[in-house]
Order: sequence, then C-alpha cells, then structure tokens
Amino acid sequence: EPEVTQTPSHQVTQMGQEVILRCVPISNHLYFYWYRQILGQKVEFLVSFYNNEISEKSEIFDDQFSVERPDGSNFTLKIRSTKLEDSAMYFCASSEGWDPNIQYFGAGTRLSVL
Amino acid sequence: SQQGEEDPQALSIQEGENATMNCSYKTSINNLQWYRQNSGRGLVHLILIRSNEREKHSGRLRVTLDTSKKSSSLLITASRAADTASYFCATAHNFNKFYFGSGTKLNVKP
Repeated sequence: EPEVTQTPSHQVTQMGQEVILRCVPISNHLYFYWYRQILGQKVEFLVSFYNNEISEKSEIFDDQFSVERPDGSNFTLKIRSTKLEDSAMYFCASSEGWDPNIQYFGAGTRLSVL
Repeated sequence: SQQGEEDPQALSIQEGENATMNCSYKTSINNLQWYRQNSGRGLVHLILIRSNEREKHSGRLRVTLDTSKKSSSLLITASRAADTASYFCATAHNFNKFYFGSGTKLNVKP
C-alpha cells in the first residue's frame, strides 16, 4: 500500500541552526501538508501546498519556515535559525484531491533543538 | 480559535463496551474528519462526514454531525484492546486548512 515517508525519523540540532525535514508524498497525490505536534499537545496545522505554491498557512508558519517541492517526489520543510520551542514531531501528509481531502500521514520526524 | 475540541480528554473502558467521543468546533466547515493516532506514530484517517451529512457509518464506527450545535461524535462499538489510541477530530476550512482538536485518549482494557 502506498505510504508517505519522512526522513529522518529523528533530527537533533543546535539552536540557531537550519534544518530541512524531508517527505515523499504518495505519488499521485496533489496536495501536501505539514503539521507539528509538541509533545503531549494537539496536532497543529502549518501549511498546505498545491501546484507548487502555498495554498494556506497558519499563524505559526512565519518567515522562519519555508516549504519546497524541489523535484517530482520530495516535499521539504525548512526551518531557519531553529529555536528551543521548535522541538516537536513534524508530520507530513498528502491527499489525492481537495474534496474529499482525506490526508495520509507519514510517521513523523522528531526534531530536538538543544 | 477555530480548532475542534474533543471530550473527554481520556476514556477508559472494558473490551466489548462502546466508546463515545465528542468534538466541538467554532466556525463553519466543509467537512469533519476523525483520525486515530497510536503512540508515537502518524495519524490514520478513519472517517469523513460532510457538512450536509448528519450520520455516517464505517464498520464499528458511527459518526454524527450537528452543524447547528457545531459538534460531532464518534462512537466505536464493541471496542477491542487494539482500539487503544488517541482519537482526533479535524475540521476542514476552505478545504485546505485544517484544525485538529486536542484528542481523546482511549484505553480499552482486555
């Protein structure tokens, strides 16, 4: 069964460093999403992406964050100058269409900022 | 906040019993979805109900939606130990912006 894959599973970085989280969405899906989940808290929407541009973004998704689809398969989330509070699980998701927009999630990348 | 909120936050039942979780939200939606998350894993889609639907079934799952009260419920019948997980409602706004609730942590005791 097709699945969304995320790498790495765990990323440790120093405060102030840049990180890139990588995702390979399901191949025929057109909509891509990033979420984060701080330990023990709710899953928070960051951004949705379609047709090589951002469709929607939340208040969390500020200038520190950027997304890119550098080729036909990868979807990346870049966090510039990481802060301690960026430590969280980051989930990538994809959906085939926008209605219905059933999302398939990856297993997540645990980001630890020291 | 537009986010859905589930209650209860935690639910512990015996295998074979039914589990009911509720979700409330604040603004108009296109649809509402329920997802399940096993500890430390990604979310898995369970069921979607559109804003013009009132009830939907899928296997042992039954979802209701009351748009006048801005609330939904998820019923899992004849629960099993394998149903132990966190359950989240997600509301879709403009189809591409989603808000997840805080989740209900369900523990089904064998």
